[in-house]
Amino acid sequence: GQNIDQPTEMTATEGAIVQINCTYQTSGFNGLFWYQQHAGEAPTFLSYNVLDGLEEKGRFSSFLSRSKGYSYLLLKELQMKDSASYLCAVKDSNYQLIWGAGTKLIIKP
Amino acid sequence: GAVVSQHPSRVICKSGTSVKIECRSLDFQATTMFWYRQFPKQSLMLMATSNEGSKATYEQGVEKDKFLINHASLTLSTLTVTSAHPEDSSFYICSASRSAEGLPLHFGNGTRLTVT
Repeated sequence: GQNIDQPTEMTATEGAIVQINCTYQTSGFNGLFWYQQHAGEAPTFLSYNVLDGLEEKGRFSSFLSRSKGYSYLLLKELQMKDSASYLCAVKDSNYQLIWGAGTKLIIKP
Repeated sequence: GAVVSQHPSRVICKSGTSVKIECRSLDFQATTMFWYRQFPKQSLMLMATSNEGSKATYEQGVEKDKFLINHASLTLSTLTVTSAHPEDSSFYICSASRSAEGLPLHFGNGTRLTVT
């Protein structure tokens, strides 16, 4: 079966750095996405990786290793507004999006 | 940037009634739109893929006669929950992409449906 694994919950301190990991086993691979979802709201797009390596976008970076079936989202200089769920999703060989359950990130002052 | 508008944001209805949710791509044409459902603390579950001018493709386990999807134009898709039951209460989200590759997806703000 197809599976996306990410931690259920993480806690970090304002101003610090946090890394949210995502491992996947899917039938084929056509890209990996990270989305941010605040409670009660729809997800918003953060990043897209299709080749190995690091994609940096401001305070957020996303890394992909296709051979390891692994990605992480790195958040720097954490702000209270970063408290949200972070969803990892993989597009499989049929171009279907397979979603992880999300990681709830709690930021403490 | 691409904007997807979803309406209504919140609806409460009685059991047995039908509810229509609209999803519009405001500044781009979306050949394909997707409808998701999300239960509390769970992942997004794809319900169906909506293609303009053709019948929607439903995921396994999703009743097509209960969740009617119409994609009348390149900017509008609707989801109608027919004969709603309390177990249909959920957060429904639509998404669309401006590109043929479907990347990235842009999401509507979601509709919180409560069936009493």
